[in-house]
Formats: sequence, C-alpha cells, structure tokens
Amino acid sequence: DQQVKQNSPSLSVQEGRISILNCDYTNSMFDYFLWYKKYPAEGPTFLISISSIKDKNEDGRFTVFLNKSAKHLSLHIVPSQPGDSAVYFCAARFSSGSARQLTFGSGTQLTVLP
Amino acid sequence: DVKVTQSSRYLVKRTGEKVFLECVQDMDHENMFWYRQDPGLGLRLIYFSYDVKMKEKGDIPEGYSVSREKKERFSLILESASTNQTSMYLCASKGPGNEKLFFGSGTQLSVL
Repeated sequence: DQQVKQNSPSLSVQEGRISILNCDYTNSMFDYFLWYKKYPAEGPTFLISISSIKDKNEDGRFTVFLNKSAKHLSLHIVPSQPGDSAVYFCAARFSSGSARQLTFGSGTQLTVLP
Repeated sequence: DVKVTQSSRYLVKRTGEKVFLECVQDMDHENMFWYRQDPGLGLRLIYFSYDVKMKEKGDIPEGYSVSREKKERFSLILESASTNQTSMYLCASKGPGNEKLFFGSGTQLSVL
C-alpha cells in the first residue's frame, strides 16, 4: 500500500494561472516532506521542502503547504510558466530518518499551456 | 553543481542476460542510491550504499545486487534479467547533513 499518494496523474494549467499539485500521506510519523521536479530525459531535481513544524514554506513562485491533521500537502506555483511543465514528485520521511527512508509518490505530470 | 552520471541512457537486453548499470558521482558523497521508476508507482528504492563496500537493501532488492568498490562509483547488477525488470533506473547521491538527493538522468532498460 502506497504511503504517499499523488492521486492526479496529470494536470493542465494556462500560463500565468496558479498550478496546485496535491499529495496525501497515510503515515502520521512522516514529518519532513520534499518536492522534486523531473523533466524528460533528466533526473529529478530538488524543488522545495517543508518540516512539520511549519505549515507553509515559500521559495519564489513555489509555495508548499502542509496540513498535518488532514495528512495533506500541496505545491502551489504562481504564476505558472511553460518551463514548469514537468513531472512533480512529492516525498516524505521521518525527521530522524535519512534520505534512505524517503517514500515517493507516483508523480503528477504538469503541463502549462502557453 | 553535483554531477551524477549514468553510463547508458537506453539499454536493450535479453531475458537471462547479466546486466550492469553504472553510476558515477563527482562530489565525494558517501551515500549513493539506486531507484527504479515505474508508471503509477513513483520511485522505489532498490539498494543504497553509505560507504565503500557498504550496502543496504531497499524496498525492492529482489533480483538485484550492487557493488561499491570506489566511493565515486555505484553499480547495479541484474544477475539474470527478466521482463519485469524493464524500467527506468535512477541513480542518486547525497552528502552528509544534506537532505537533497542528486539524481542522474536515468537509464531506460528494456528486457526482451
């Protein structure tokens, strides 16, 4: 059973609008979360992270929100740009864990339409 | 920037062949990882290594082995390739005290 779920395999958004990518987790022991972005023919690259002591972390156009009670996190991209078109993976781990213990979601393909 | 290089972008092998996937990183990282990526399943950890000659099984180690004879190089070995090992294989490395994984560009392996 997948402990980290990205229920939307794909999302299309118009350029300039907001993209919202969602991620749900089932293990309440997870308390550190990361987002990775993957372009075709490239490996995933780290995008943004959030610890459970926060409910929001912002980096430029990218903001991650964490709702611990709902076991839900979301990545907001504002404004969306065509270059943001990629597969986005969320990942989770325990705070005392190492990267070995990262659990990844299945990914969401974001397409930003010009 | 960290560079993680996987030797092959595409590989086509026959069932039963022994397959070697090579990965090299240039940042002196202790930790190296092998994942496979399958549609609908995300990235799943096959093996990881935390030092030369040290390895640990990940979530799906069956049918795979690894070798880490030098710090910069981490090899994934399919002893006898099977069709269910057709997948995208991603190598990653991580330095101490750093949460970020640095990934290679992946090897798409097809086993016929």
